[in-house]
Amino acid sequence: LAKTTQPISMDSYEGQEVNITCSHNNIATNDYITWYQQFPSQGPRFIIQGYKTKVTNEVASLFIPADRKSSTLSLPRVSLSDTAVYYCLVGDRNTGRRALTFGSGTRLQVQP
Amino acid sequence: ETGVTQTPRHLVMGMTNKKSLKCEQHLGHNAMYWYKQSAKKPLELMFVYNFKEQTENNSVPSRFSPECPNSSHLFLHLHTLQPEDSALYLCASSQETSGGAPQYFGPGTRLTVL
Repeated sequence: LAKTTQPISMDSYEGQEVNITCSHNNIATNDYITWYQQFPSQGPRFIIQGYKTKVTNEVASLFIPADRKSSTLSLPRVSLSDTAVYYCLVGDRNTGRRALTFGSGTRLQVQP
Repeated sequence: ETGVTQTPRHLVMGMTNKKSLKCEQHLGHNAMYWYKQSAKKPLELMFVYNFKEQTENNSVPSRFSPECPNSSHLFLHLHTLQPEDSALYLCASSQETSGGAPQYFGPGTRLTVL
């Protein structure tokens, strides 16, 4: 199973764009990349998922280079409410593969 | 709202008590999960169910007993817990149990064992 590496923490200010990069050098052909957001004392929330190139939704964008060995979650114009832990997971969508576990994530602190 | 509900939201119990946590998903998913999250630690996957059948038990002590009567409901029965079991217990569901299937989490039950 592909292992991911992401920064432990990041700081930003309101209104800035935040990019969180995740490394997954051993990503397999059938693996998808999924990002979650977790606020204190709440369950993680699915943000975005992608396989290659760029995916965008109302919350974030996900950039995946051609070699797929890394991915970048982009949060446009962050606000204080974006302060949370962000998790990057890589996994195969084929039915029957073992479910993944969450790592330590990236703790994003947004300041005024 | 994620479509996954958990009750109770808070629970305080003594070490000799027996209690149960309940989870219900309204998403039509086939897989359900129990996670434990202790203070400032990553989520720990406890149990996985797929179509009501348990497919994973990550060496969880027997004082935690899961039950999945159907694909929409999941319970975690608790008995003779220890203070170190105090944590946030999270339920999640997904369409299938593959590593790439997005999981949708409930709000969690904050458990305190005295």
